[in-house]
Amino acid sequence: KAGVTQTPRYLIKTRGQQVTLSCSPISGHRSVSWYQQTPGQGLQFLFEYFSETQRNKGNFPGRFSGRQFSNSRSEMNVSTLELGDSALYLCASSGLSYGYTFGSGTRLTVV
Amino acid sequence: GESVGLHLPTLSVQEGDNSIINCAYSNSASDYFIWYKQESGKGPQFIIDIRSNMDKRQGQRVTVLLNKTVKHLSLQIAATQPGDSAVYFCAENGDWSGTASKLTFGTGTRLQVTL
Repeated sequence: KAGVTQTPRYLIKTRGQQVTLSCSPISGHRSVSWYQQTPGQGLQFLFEYFSETQRNKGNFPGRFSGRQFSNSRSEMNVSTLELGDSALYLCASSGLSYGYTFGSGTRLTVV
Repeated sequence: GESVGLHLPTLSVQEGDNSIINCAYSNSASDYFIWYKQESGKGPQFIIDIRSNMDKRQGQRVTVLLNKTVKHLSLQIAATQPGDSAVYFCAENGDWSGTASKLTFGTGTRLQVTL
């Protein structure tokens, strides 16, 4: 079966711009989580969505937001980009059983 | 607060030897732990997991040990191969209530396999 698909794979944006990243979970998975990975901070939890509702949120500013659609696909948005937002953004989907499957991520570079 | 830490940032082993990667966690309420492998340019790949009601779980060439008394987790890789070279993360789910989930990751250990 298809894995978790994240698009685009790479993005270059300018400070002050906004960006939208997309994640398609494994078919049948209703939970989608987002993580930010940087060399300095490692992997940090952003938020989690289940059935179009945000169930959990990490310690990130309000510039980071997300949503989930009825088909479980999810998007995250970062507004007013800062240089420090440069990172690998990872999406993970989860089904009824324990376990999370990650996508390959979107590499965001802010210049 | 919650934290999951790793003792060694880099581990170098010879091909064919066994590897042991360690992880400490601080949330005594954690009930689910996962080991991930991440290769360059890829997302974390699931290796093995363990629930808190278990002490040991084995997979193909991998074993995870959980010591709840000292809040310690380890990943053992048997007969390490060059393809095992990657960064390994332990992760803890301290918020699995069936209604919400969140993983807290360790800092990662880079495993280097030498020929």
